[in-house]
Amino acid sequence: GAVVSQHPSWVICKSGTSVKIECRSLDFQATTMFWYRQFPKQSLMLMATSNEGSKATYEQGVEKDKFLINHASLTLSTLTVTSAHPEDSSFYICSLAGRTYEQYFGPGTRLTVT
Amino acid sequence: KNQVEQSPQSLIILEGKNCTLQCNYTVSPFSNLRWYKQDTGRGPVSLTIMTFSENTKSNGRYTATLDADTKQSSLHITASQLSDSASYICVVSVESMDSNYQLIWGAGTKLIIKP
Repeated sequence: GAVVSQHPSWVICKSGTSVKIECRSLDFQATTMFWYRQFPKQSLMLMATSNEGSKATYEQGVEKDKFLINHASLTLSTLTVTSAHPEDSSFYICSLAGRTYEQYFGPGTRLTVT
Repeated sequence: KNQVEQSPQSLIILEGKNCTLQCNYTVSPFSNLRWYKQDTGRGPVSLTIMTFSENTKSNGRYTATLDADTKQSSLHITASQLSDSASYICVVSVESMDSNYQLIWGAGTKLIIKP
């Protein structure tokens, strides 16, 4: 399967600042990547679908101006949390769509906003 | 409403024992069903993917079954190991009208293996 990396693996930032999370596909060209958020003891919640070269598609309830997604190339998608608040503290996971239904997930990024 | 329900919510078993996790779904139109293993603080890792016509699929000590008539799936773990301690998530894929798909996530079963 495809290898997906995320950077950073964990980050602590102050309230009001912005944080960028990178998702890289190391061995697969992904036209579609997904961004998820996972709160403690809950399952993954899809935030948005990122398509290379076009605007991301956001799920209902996810603020597109707060969570900026850029899918600049077939191997890189970034999620920027703007003006972060403590309630944005969560585990952010990206995945890419492989062939025949498969999704390959990154290791996740733990964001803590103080 | 598309839903995926898993049981039990959590399970503790002794190392070496077998266990079975359950997944019931009300999803339409059904595309496929996946089982993922998620270690704490890590992303999910795929264990099995089954389409409508598949009844069972194995991946090492993991065996998944699918009954499309009753809309039930199970994940059986044989000879459990300490490294099996994780959350096991059942995910059902729904095919949308534009040929894309949507994943409906279960809440997961937290499995703890004790020595």
